Amino acid sequence: NAGVTQTPKFQVLKTGQSMTLQCAQDMNHNSMYWYRQDPGMGLRLIYYSASEGTTDKGEVPNGYNVSRLNKREFSLRLESAAPSQTSVYFCASNLRRDNQPQHFGDGTRLSIL
Amino acid sequence: SQQGEEDPQALSIQEGENATMNCSYKTSINNLQWYRQNSGRGLVHLILIRSNEREKHSGRLRVTLDTSKKSSSLLITASRAADTASYFCATERNFGNEKLTFGTGTRLTIIP
Repeated sequence: NAGVTQTPKFQVLKTGQSMTLQCAQDMNHNSMYWYRQDPGMGLRLIYYSASEGTTDKGEVPNGYNVSRLNKREFSLRLESAAPSQTSVYFCASNLRRDNQPQHFGDGTRLSIL
Repeated sequence: SQQGEEDPQALSIQEGENATMNCSYKTSINNLQWYRQNSGRGLVHLILIRSNEREKHSGRLRVTLDTSKKSSSLLITASRAADTASYFCATERNFGNEKLTFGTGTRLTIIP
């Protein structure tokens, strides 16, 4: 049981380049999330998807787009990367019911030069 | 903005001692959750406490919740080297809104 799988694990980009971070879960979860983690800031929600076909902005959505491709997959796209987007990105998922914990992937470490 | 703040930011104790971490939050909540993060890994869920619960246990973990003070504590008893990690509290505000707001974390180091 793989849980939540994120690819790639590491990536270095130049300012202005674009890329897509991939996330897939095999737990039949309804809801999926993208967070970024910066030193001393904890995790901040970028976008989430409560169910297949829906997406909503979180706390820090600027500079990002998302696609809920199907129930399993939720991708995060940086259209024009900026140094301020250097961070560790985590994907998470859970069942859309009350009091359900989130399950996290191991993250993508992204550096923008 | 961060909903929760953990205290202390860092804690070092000897193996076998108990570790206590605190979390404060700002708004009413549906539940509060604690997560652990080992270096270079994702977060792992430890325990969830509902707003109508005051204390919960899971193995060596004990969590308390005081909604009147908007605070929670996580106690790890008989600490082990493997407990070395960062610990985060997270709050879910409303039933049916599963978004979590995370605190800034406590870095726990267990000295063998």
